[in-house]
Amino acid sequence: DADVTQTPRNRITKTGKRIMLECSQTKGHDRMYWYRQDPGLGLRLIYYSFDVKDINKGEISDGYSVSRQAQAKFSLSLESAIPNQTALYFCATSDLGAGEGNEQFFGPGTRLTVL
Amino acid sequence: GQNIDQPTEMTATEGAIVQINCTYQTSGFNGLFWYQQHAGEAPTFLSYNVLDGLEEKGRFSSFLSRSKGYSYLLLKELQMKDSASYLCAVPQTGANNLFFGTGTRLTVIP
Repeated sequence: DADVTQTPRNRITKTGKRIMLECSQTKGHDRMYWYRQDPGLGLRLIYYSFDVKDINKGEISDGYSVSRQAQAKFSLSLESAIPNQTALYFCATSDLGAGEGNEQFFGPGTRLTVL
Repeated sequence: GQNIDQPTEMTATEGAIVQINCTYQTSGFNGLFWYQQHAGEAPTFLSYNVLDGLEEKGRFSSFLSRSKGYSYLLLKELQMKDSASYLCAVPQTGANNLFFGTGTRLTVIP
């Protein structure tokens, strides 16, 4: 079984709809991240959480919110989806910080299309 | 802040050697990561360098020069399955997250 899972894997929705993307992990890591990836722009950090009570905005948090329901679960919500939120979304986890040389483990991604 | 520059695309021949360069600017250096990402798939960790020099891991090697703000990933004996994007990343100052470059898309041709 995959260590980091994301649901749904693909989603098409309409402008103005509320969407939730879910991420679960079995690695026992405290740190979880949400990224979006757009062609030519690379991976950009939306939100990150160092534990259940610690949630922080990343580089591009506007229009998004998150919930850390448990150590293993981290959800990303788009309150009112807009077309420029069409992207590939990745969840990731890590044991400790990148500055200590800790790699991040990525989920398989959710391809979201907003019409 | 951070900045990373990588070539956008490269093409190389099966069996050959290719070097993918990465230059970075960061206010506090805490190592450099390389990830591989096949099209539409998740990035996977390749290497982490924090000291100057070359680290070899099978067909893949990664080099770091902190004084020059420069790293490269060296892929030997290229195989078709090496066609992928290669992402250079550095830890962000303070937050201890990763800042990614836009990646280099490598195409291996027969």
